[in-house]
Amino acid sequence: KNEVEQSPQNLTAQEGEFITINCSYSVGISALHWLQQHPGGGIVSLFMLSSGKKKHGRLIATINIQEKHSSLHITASHPRDSAVYICAVNTGTASKLTFGTGTRLQVTL
Amino acid sequence: DTGVSQNPRHKITKRGQNVTFRCDPISEHNRLYWYRQTLGQGPEFLTYFQNEAQLEKSRLLSDRFSAERPKGSFSTLEIQRTEQGDSAMYLCASSAPLDNKETQYFGPGTRLLVL
Repeated sequence: KNEVEQSPQNLTAQEGEFITINCSYSVGISALHWLQQHPGGGIVSLFMLSSGKKKHGRLIATINIQEKHSSLHITASHPRDSAVYICAVNTGTASKLTFGTGTRLQVTL
Repeated sequence: DTGVSQNPRHKITKRGQNVTFRCDPISEHNRLYWYRQTLGQGPEFLTYFQNEAQLEKSRLLSDRFSAERPKGSFSTLEIQRTEQGDSAMYLCASSAPLDNKETQYFGPGTRLLVL
């Protein structure tokens, strides 16, 4: 079993829909990251969380430390949001990241 | 500063050849990471440096792999006697931890294909 699990693996939505991507982890963490990867490989950091909730534009990330669960929400989705969204954690005091397998999001017109 | 850069962006080689990749981190970042990503999977940790010191290596990093960061700035990752299973995207990231919080900034990656 992977230390970081994401669901769903693939997600198709229509423009304007509210989207939720889930991440569960099985180890103690010091921080959780949400990353976005576009075709071609480039990875951009969206959020780093250790508790609570963060918001940036149409993106919202939440984390529940007790339940070892995080969600990434996208409001009013747009085709330019189409990408792979990856959850990653710093386990314990480690600075390296342990990644989930990603959620491939396709937003259509 | 234009962010983390990696060269080459693509590399095709024949099995058994040696390849070397370069990563130039963001200039003030003291930590540098190498990750490997195969198709449809999330990245996997290979190794990381703090300044010029290599602090951790994954068990994924066989004896054929070596990484250096000689002056604490750019880093190189060399794969000797490449195998088809080495085909992957090799990602570099850098960071400057502040108050034990650390956002990693990723380069565009080097895509390796071993024929």
